[in-house]
Amino acid sequence: KQEVTQIPAALSVPEGENLVLNCSFTDSAIYNLQWFRQDPGKGLTSLLLIQSSQREQTSGRLNASLDKSSGRSTLYIAASQPGDSATYLCAVRRPSNTGKLIFGQGTTLQVKP
Amino acid sequence: SAVISQKPSRDICQRGTSLTIQCQVDSQVTMMFWYRQQPGQSLTLIATANQGSEATYESGFVIDKFPISRPNLTFSTLTVSNMSPEDSSIYLCSAGALSGNTIYFGEGSWLTVV
Repeated sequence: KQEVTQIPAALSVPEGENLVLNCSFTDSAIYNLQWFRQDPGKGLTSLLLIQSSQREQTSGRLNASLDKSSGRSTLYIAASQPGDSATYLCAVRRPSNTGKLIFGQGTTLQVKP
Repeated sequence: SAVISQKPSRDICQRGTSLTIQCQVDSQVTMMFWYRQQPGQSLTLIATANQGSEATYESGFVIDKFPISRPNLTFSTLTVSNMSPEDSSIYLCSAGALSGNTIYFGEGSWLTVV
C-alpha cells in the first residue's frame, strides 16, 4: 500500500531564506508526483508536476526534484516571501493511471517578514 | 488547464440533514473525483465519479452516505446524507484528463455540521 510522508510538518523561516520541503513515498511505482499549495480554508493550487521519467521541474522560484528509486521528492523554494505562507502538499498518482492521488499530510510553512 | 467551480463554498448544516455539493468543470475531462479533508488532516479520496453510471467508492465510503452523480463530462454532484458533526470537513472536487497529467482541484466546500 502506497504511503506518502512529508517532513517537516511545520516550518517557520524569516523572509528571504531558501528552503526545502521533503516528501517520501513507499512504493516507487508511480505515474507522476504533484506538488500543491493550499491556503487556509481553500482548495488546492497545482504548483509543479513531475512525471515518473523526469528528475526535476522548475517554475519561477520553485524547483521540484524526484528520485523515484529512493522514493523521494523535494520542493525547493528560493528567496521565500510572506506570500509563500501556506500548506504544501505532495501527492503521488498511481501507475494504473486512474487519476487517483495519494496525499501526504502536508508541510505548513510560515514566512515571517 | 481546467477551472473547477464548486457550490456552495461554505455552509452550516443541521445534524440529520443532507446537503448536495455541485462541481462544474469548464472543459471536458475524463476523470472526476471527490475528496474529503477533515480538520487538520490531509485529503482522502471518497470516490471516482463515473459518467452515466454508479460512482466507484474507496474503502470506508458507501453510496448510501455519499451518493454521487455525474450526468455528463463536466458536471458532478456529491451529497452528504444524514450529516453528523463528524462530517464537518472540506469536500473537494477534482478533475483531469485520462491521458493528461495535472489533476486540478476546486476551491472546496466547507461544511460545518451543528
